[in-house]
Amino acid sequence: EAQVTQNPRYLITVTGKKLTVTCSQNMNHEYMSWYRQDPGLGLRQIYYSMNVEVTDKGDVPEGYKVSRKEKRNFPLILESPSPNQTSLYFCASSIRTSGGTYTGELFFGEGSRLTVL
Amino acid sequence: GNSVTQMEGPVTLSEEAFLTINCTYTATGYPSLFWYVQYPGEGLQLLLKATKADDKGSNKGFEATYRKETTSFHLEKGSVQVSDSAVYFCALRRRDDKIIFGKGTRLHILP
Repeated sequence: EAQVTQNPRYLITVTGKKLTVTCSQNMNHEYMSWYRQDPGLGLRQIYYSMNVEVTDKGDVPEGYKVSRKEKRNFPLILESPSPNQTSLYFCASSIRTSGGTYTGELFFGEGSRLTVL
Repeated sequence: GNSVTQMEGPVTLSEEAFLTINCTYTATGYPSLFWYVQYPGEGLQLLLKATKADDKGSNKGFEATYRKETTSFHLEKGSVQVSDSAVYFCALRRRDDKIIFGKGTRLHILP
């Protein structure tokens, strides 16, 4: 089954304790992205990756890191979490068209709800 | 700049009512337009899309028409069901492939 898998789904942690949210897709997609969803703010992009070893900042990258060492994996790293990073996080992937552009059809994981105390 | 504006929710309707969720956009050129749906406890999933003016996207009884003149992509369904209760996001794809989402509209359908 084609899917994007995130782990953990739920996490409560404390300020300053490094954590990693993993994301893996089995669709051989080049494009992967992280979003956070907050009430009243909708979805905001954190980081994205067009392909292996290529990552770029989205709209709200502060306090986050990512890496793309393999095509299928795109982990989100919070080196020193703070309470304002309490949010619902989504990983998504997309395929490139034969013309080289991205279709815009994003496949989302089920989300990771993070609480930072 | 590029942006998507959709009606504030929540929207509450009775089962079998007609649904319209408004979406307007500002963009350079003619972006591809999308509606995504997020059911409770799940990630977003693509509901329908349109890639050029006058295209109509449709899926699961939902429809939306790409209106260049009014820069709109309103979501409609003739008869909603309780199972349609979800959050709906309008989105566009910019020239640089970035996806811009609206803030989402929560829909409640009462039995």
